[in-house]
Amino acid sequence: DGGITQSPKYLFRKEGQNVTLSCEQNLNHDAMYWYRQDPGQGLRLIYYSQIVNDFQKGDIAEGYSVSREKKESFPLTVTSAQKNPTAFYLCASRRTGSVETQYFGPGTRLLVL
Amino acid sequence: QQQVKQSPQSLIVQKGGISIINCAYENTAFDYFPWYQQFPGKGPALLIAIRPDVSEKKEGRFTISFNKSAKQFSLHIMDSQPGDSATYFCAASGSNDYKLSFGAGTTVTVRA
Repeated sequence: DGGITQSPKYLFRKEGQNVTLSCEQNLNHDAMYWYRQDPGQGLRLIYYSQIVNDFQKGDIAEGYSVSREKKESFPLTVTSAQKNPTAFYLCASRRTGSVETQYFGPGTRLLVL
Repeated sequence: QQQVKQSPQSLIVQKGGISIINCAYENTAFDYFPWYQQFPGKGPALLIAIRPDVSEKKEGRFTISFNKSAKQFSLHIMDSQPGDSATYFCAASGSNDYKLSFGAGTTVTVRA
């Protein structure tokens, strides 16, 4: 099956702790994205990567970090600097070229203890 | 600031009725307008998309209407069914831009 997997489904963070959310895709897509979803605010872009070893900040990058060492993987770290991390985090990927569709993973819900 | 404004925030429709969701944008560089459907606890899934060279696109019970001069586009769900109850997001992007700008979402509830 081709698609995007995110793990874990639920994640709990303690005060002052960094946590890493996993995103893997086997669609052979070049571009990958991380979004944060809060009630009533739609999806806001955190980081995106168009190619391996390169990534750009989105609209709300503060308190987050990413890496793109492999085409298939784009992990997101929520650092202790992110003071309001409770949200639903969505990873997406897109094939570059004429098709603009972004395909989304099932999401990870992050909760603060 | 939100580049795509979506309304209403929520709507309730009877089974068999029509649901209409509206979106407006300012950036004239936008030339790709998708709609996504999201069920609770799941990731959004592409429903239908349109480019500004056509004024309407229909796929089954879902229709996008596009008004380039007004910079507005809308989603019509015909013969709404309880299984259509979900949150719908409009979005927009430009040809040379890898980023999508999303509306705030509309929660649709279809009453049986």
